[in-house]
Amino acid sequence: DAGVIQSPRHEVTEMGQEVTLRCKPISGHNSLFWYRQTMMRGLELLIYFNNNVPIDDSGMPEDRFSAKMPNASFSTLKIQPSEPRDSAVYFCASSGLAPYNEQFFGPGTRLTVL
Amino acid sequence: GEDVEQSLFLSVREGDSSVINCTYTDSSSTYLYWYKQEPGAGLQLLTYIFSNMDMKQDQRLTVLLNKKDKHLSLRIADTQTGDSAIYFCAGVPGGFKTIFGAGTRLFVKA
Repeated sequence: DAGVIQSPRHEVTEMGQEVTLRCKPISGHNSLFWYRQTMMRGLELLIYFNNNVPIDDSGMPEDRFSAKMPNASFSTLKIQPSEPRDSAVYFCASSGLAPYNEQFFGPGTRLTVL
Repeated sequence: GEDVEQSLFLSVREGDSSVINCTYTDSSSTYLYWYKQEPGAGLQLLTYIFSNMDMKQDQRLTVLLNKKDKHLSLRIADTQTGDSAIYFCAGVPGGFKTIFGAGTRLFVKA
């Protein structure tokens, strides 16, 4: 398996633009997580899905952020409109039914909002 | 909610042992974890310990769990420059979402 796939790996955009980050989880995994990592705030859980259904979105910063999981093999995180303070590395992770709940992380998308 | 705390930095010399400490507040996690993040990469599970164990050894890694004090530690023997990374302590209280600590940045001096 190729692991968790994220695209793009790097994104540079201007304030006010819409940004869409994409994630393909590991096949067979039933949970998917979106995280944001910055030096100041560390690793933050934004939202997680179980069987394609959003379970907890309490970490989503504000209405500018939205996430969807239309099927078991694809998820998006959208920021509209983007702001400079959204600059961060965004990680997607997935986990399956392994008894010890290991999360498999993608390589991340480094977002820079100018 | 669950709180997981770690010291932010640790610096050791190559060949020495490293000990990274973590404290947590919610003891309901069935497993406790150590993840490693290398520069420019996502987190990767390094090792884990079942909550009814006190110790787990895996090659150069030793995990100690003190349930009474809610303290978890990771010892890396014979630390190498390739061990330089950020190490995250984590638990899954209630069996749902994983709660990560802030991460300990390990610097290994040659």
